[in-house]
Amino acid sequence: EDQVTQSPEALRLQEGESSSLNCSYTVSGLRGLFWYRQDPGKGPEFLFTLYSAGEEKEKERLKATLTKKESFLHITAPKPEDSATYLCAVQVVQTGANNLFFGTGTRLTVIP
Amino acid sequence: GAVVSQHPSWVICKSGTSVKIECRSLDFQATTMFWYRQFPKQSLMLMATSNEGSKATYEQGVEKDKFLINHASLTLSTLTVTSAHPEDSSFYICSARTPLSSLHPHRAYTFGSGTRLTVV
Repeated sequence: EDQVTQSPEALRLQEGESSSLNCSYTVSGLRGLFWYRQDPGKGPEFLFTLYSAGEEKEKERLKATLTKKESFLHITAPKPEDSATYLCAVQVVQTGANNLFFGTGTRLTVIP
Repeated sequence: GAVVSQHPSWVICKSGTSVKIECRSLDFQATTMFWYRQFPKQSLMLMATSNEGSKATYEQGVEKDKFLINHASLTLSTLTVTSAHPEDSSFYICSARTPLSSLHPHRAYTFGSGTRLTVV
């Protein structure tokens, strides 16, 4: 059974304190792994797509990496505006499947 | 580019009434749209895949007679919650695949801003 697990469930960081969020996945075949940011009461906002092990993507203070079993979202010197829930989702290689399967997210709070 | 507009952003309705939620792709065509439901502090769960010009595909456990989906054009999909009950209260979100462009050179999905449904 396809499964996506994110950890930690919640994370509190001081402003400037770098850390990493984890997304572990078990799928029959990975077509792509996606990272999204979700603010309270809003829809998810796209951050990155990763396709194969070893791939890395960067955007401002965020860097996403991918291995065969997990993905990390590294946050360097976070600011309070980085506070949000970060969602990981996978798309599975499956005939006719075009949807995303989400993890439960990591709620990040950055304290000034 | 690649904006998905969802309305209303919130709605309160009485138990037993029906509520329609609209999802529009504003600057691109979407032959397929996806409807998700999200309960507090939980993940997004796919409810159904909406296909333009054909019947929607529902996930296991989702009542298709209760959650009516209509994808009448390449830019509009609607979700109607019929005979709503308090347990249907949730955050409903639609999405569509983002068209490839210089701004979005990789596979991605654009989400609407969500609809908070409260059934009283």
